[in-house]
Amino acid sequence: KNEVEQSPQNLTAQEGEFITINCSYSVGISALHWLQQHPGGGIVSLFMLSSGKKKHGRLIATINIQEKHSSLHITASHPRDSAVYICAVRRKMNRDDKIIFGKGTRLHILP
Amino acid sequence: GAGVSQSPSNKVTEKGKDVELRCDPISGHTALYWYRQSLGQGLEFLIYFQGNSAPDKSGLPSDRFSAERTGGSVSTLTIQRTQQEDSAVYLCASSLAGDMAGYGYTFGSGTRLTVV
Repeated sequence: KNEVEQSPQNLTAQEGEFITINCSYSVGISALHWLQQHPGGGIVSLFMLSSGKKKHGRLIATINIQEKHSSLHITASHPRDSAVYICAVRRKMNRDDKIIFGKGTRLHILP
Repeated sequence: GAGVSQSPSNKVTEKGKDVELRCDPISGHTALYWYRQSLGQGLEFLIYFQGNSAPDKSGLPSDRFSAERTGGSVSTLTIQRTQQEDSAVYLCASSLAGDMAGYGYTFGSGTRLTVV
């Protein structure tokens, strides 16, 4: 079983829909990141969370440490939001640091 | 620099040749990571540096892969005797610290390696 699981794997929605992408993890973490990878390949860091909720524009990210779960929400989705969204966790280790990636969610927003 | 810089951006090499990929992290970032992303695959962790040392080399796929970091700054990833399965985008990321404080990190734009 992967240490970081994302769902859904693929998501197609109409412009304007509210989008939710989920991430569950099974290890102790110090932080969780949501990344966006556009078709051209560039990766952008959207959020870094260690607790609670963060909002940036139409994007909202939440994390529940007890349940080891995070969600990324997109309100009023737009075709330019089409990308792969990747959840990554920073695993707690004694003195080391490791980032574990989910396999990503491919989002396609139709106009 | 303003961001993480990787070079070359594209590299085509013949099977069996050695290649060297370079990553210039953000100035002052002590943690540096190498990943690769094969066609249609997720990100795969290769190696992590804290300063010049590499506490975690567990992701290197074989002994043909090696990496070093000098002066706590520039890192090079070397692939010897390249194979076609080495074709991928190799990404570098850096972070202010590699401890449990949970600092954010920044990705470079990657090196697309094609082994023919």
